Amino acid sequence: EVQLVESGGGLVQPGRSLRLSCAASGFTFDDSAMHWVRQAPGKGLEWVSGINWNSGSLGYADSVKGRFTISRDNAKNSVYLQMNSLRAEDTAFYYCAKAPVGSYFPFDFWGQGTLVTVSS
Amino acid sequence: EIVLTQSPDFQSVTPKEKVTITCRASQSIGSSLHWYQQKPDQSPKLLIKYASQSISGVPSRFSGSGSGTDFTLTINSLEAEDAAAYYCHQSSSLPFTFGPGTKVDIK
Repeated sequence: EVQLVESGGGLVQPGRSLRLSCAASGFTFDDSAMHWVRQAPGKGLEWVSGINWNSGSLGYADSVKGRFTISRDNAKNSVYLQMNSLRAEDTAFYYCAKAPVGSYFPFDFWGQGTLVTVSS
Repeated sequence: EIVLTQSPDFQSVTPKEKVTITCRASQSIGSSLHWYQQKPDQSPKLLIKYASQSISGVPSRFSGSGSGTDFTLTINSLEAEDAAAYYCHQSSSLPFTFGPGTKVDIK
């Protein structure tokens, strides 16, 4: 059974940092591109960043470029999102999503998400 | 940035009715368009990939069509469990944008 479990969310002050993790199981993680997608409460979906199976970045949304960094550890079947200089507008549910083996898209399975709240 | 627009924003539909949701891209994206369903308090679920390719496990009443800039998601014979928000998503070029969503409500 495919599982993606996000963790690391919480309440953080503006300007501070947070690191999200996504633990994967039930599929060949080493051969799968992974992505982060976020959703502000009551709003639509926004792609944040993606990473291929060899840790090559697939890019960042303009809204997070220079502040967020995606990475992965294939030995731990995990993908991460380091978020620096957080702003109120970064408040959202952050979903980890996988692509089919050997492809960058689409997102064929999503985790349940972790909530990040940026507030003083 | 490729902007995706969806119509309608909201639709209230009776069971067994046919639903059509359109997604228009600000420039041609070929067939690099995917559809997701998000039910309340759940994470999104992939419905259709690359404009018209079906996904294993997704009911056959869901279908997609289109290419270039104009795409359509069709739900034939709507069921009560289809109450959800539907999003299109393009993977043609960075940043990989989503449409604003269409909320489908059951009358």
